[in-house]
Amino acid sequence: NAGVTQTPKFRILKIGQSMTLQCAQDMNHNYMYWYRQDPGMGLKLIYYSVGAGITDKGEVPNGYNVSRSTTEDFPLRLELAAPSQTSVYFCASSPHRSEQYFGPGTRLTVT
Amino acid sequence: AQKVTQAQTEISVVEKEDVTLDCVYETRDTTYYLFWYKQPPSGELVFLIRRNSFDEQNEISGRYSWNFQKSTSSFNFTITASQVVDSAVYFCALSGVSNFGNEKLTFGTGTRLTIIP
Repeated sequence: NAGVTQTPKFRILKIGQSMTLQCAQDMNHNYMYWYRQDPGMGLKLIYYSVGAGITDKGEVPNGYNVSRSTTEDFPLRLELAAPSQTSVYFCASSPHRSEQYFGPGTRLTVT
Repeated sequence: AQKVTQAQTEISVVEKEDVTLDCVYETRDTTYYLFWYKQPPSGELVFLIRRNSFDEQNEISGRYSWNFQKSTSSFNFTITASQVVDSAVYFCALSGVSNFGNEKLTFGTGTRLTIIP
């Protein structure tokens, strides 16, 4: 099993550009999550999904969108990137009522 | 609202010393889960332990041990005979329950542990 994979590992965006962060898991987990980690801080939940076709907002959803068309994939879309979105983004998945397994992260810089 | 406080921002100890990382949480849920994750310099997040609110037994795994006390809302983590490989940022986290019944993690701000050889 590859676990949770994320692409790209690094990305630099200009202000106003858009991009999609990819996340995939091969563990057949129903639950998937997107977090951001700002320097010196813990992780904050952006969006999560409890299954294909079902998503909900987390603590910091503004400026982001998600979709979940399959169990395996949970892409995060950034529209009109802003410097405040410079962060490390982590995707995670979990079975029901269990620990979350994290991907390696995507380091995004918006300049 | 849920909250996790890790008051120790940074700790440095000499190798082979014992070290305890503190975690204090706030929740109004009667059922919840507590977690510890390790983030080494490479950046990935490594799951260490999960504890549910009905199980106050302490747990030991090798050099790691965890002390859960509901009376003080604390879930502290002790590393015995620390090693350089233990150098990392350690996060304590608390689960919430979403509209769909699944947990959403609330993280503390982390404790950066440096083990000096």
